[in-house]
Order: sequence, then C-alpha cells, then structure tokens
Amino acid sequence: AQSVTQLGSHVSVSEGALVLLRCNYSSSVPPYLFWYVQYPNQGLQLLLKYTSAATLVKGINGFEAEFKKSETSFHLTKPSAHMSDAAEYFCAVRTSGTYKYIFGTGTRLKVLA
Amino acid sequence: DTEVTQTPKHLVMGMTNKKSLKCEQHMGHRAMYWYKQKAKKPPELMFVYSYEKLSINESVPSRFSPECPNSSLLNLHLHALQPEDSALYLCASSLPGVLSTGELFFGEGSRLTVL
Repeated sequence: AQSVTQLGSHVSVSEGALVLLRCNYSSSVPPYLFWYVQYPNQGLQLLLKYTSAATLVKGINGFEAEFKKSETSFHLTKPSAHMSDAAEYFCAVRTSGTYKYIFGTGTRLKVLA
Repeated sequence: DTEVTQTPKHLVMGMTNKKSLKCEQHMGHRAMYWYKQKAKKPPELMFVYSYEKLSINESVPSRFSPECPNSSLLNLHLHALQPEDSALYLCASSLPGVLSTGELFFGEGSRLTVL
C-alpha cells in the first residue's frame, strides 16, 4: 500500500530564508508525486509534479522539488521565503493504474517578518 | 479555461434537510472527484467518476449521494446529515484514464455546516 509522510506539521522560517518542506513516500512502483498549496478557505492548487521525467522539478511561485529514488523523498524547496508563502502544503502520491491520490498530513508554513 | 467551479460556497442545513452541492468544469476532463476535508486535515477521497460512471466509492454513508449527469457536471446530494459531516467539500477533476499522469484540479470548495 502506498503512503506519504510529511515530516513537521508546522514549519516557521524568516522572510528571505530558505524554505524546506519534507515528503517521503512508499511505493512499490515508480509513483507520480505532487505538491499542492492550500490557502485558508480555498481549494488546493498544484505547485509542481513529478512524472518520471527530470528528477528536479520546477513549479510555480519559485518552488522546486527533487525526486530522490534512493531516499524515497520528494522535498519541496524555495530559496527565499515571502510572506505570501504562508499556507498549508500537501504532498501527494498517485500510482499509475488507479484514480487514488494519497495525501500527506500537510505542513503549515509560517513566514516571520 | 482552467477552473473548477463549485456552488454554493457556504451551506448551512439542518439534519432533516435535503440539499445539493454542484461542481462544473469545462476543461474536457472526464474524471471527477469529491473529497471531504476537515479542519487541519488532508482531503479524504469520497467518490470518483470516470467517463460519467462511478469508479470509486470509499465506503461513504448513503446520506451522501453522488451524481454525474454529464461530462462537465458533478453533484453531491445531501440528506439526513449529521453534525460531524460539517466540513469543506472539494470537487476536483483530472484527465481520464488510470494511466494518465495528470494532476488534480480543485475547486474552491463548499463549506458545509450541519446544525
């Protein structure tokens, strides 16, 4: 069975500092991996996705993530945090052959002025 | 047009009421989803429709009844709900086919409160 683990339910960074949100997955076959962002009282918006092409994936708003098969990780990074990045971030995995997207428990990012 | 539109945005209903949530997309997606999200939790899958046919029902109570009348519309009919059903209900769509690498496109959600 697939699963996604997000380490750290809350992460705080200073404005301008590096953002690192962690995601580890378990899957017996190469998965499709996604990062979504959710602002209060809104739906989820796709930041980026990995679908077995380049291992370094660039997304919107300056975010990127690197797929590391040996570590079963897909961590999300941004070089310089902005106040507008404060939100909930979800990592998700989907196995080819299913319509099931499995979401991690989420990480709330707080950006300090 | 890359939007999934959900109505209403807010709904308050009593436990004996019958109401419906509606979802519409015009991206040509043929897979549509209902998710339930409680506060500070990830979305939980409820139903998936593929080519207007119910593909997945995650053992959801019968007081929730989905309907997909055509390729652009998805409804969720609500009847005799419980207070614990209060949540944000999210509709999503994606390219069809279980071999698709497509991501989910989400609507902004319908905030449901059951009194």
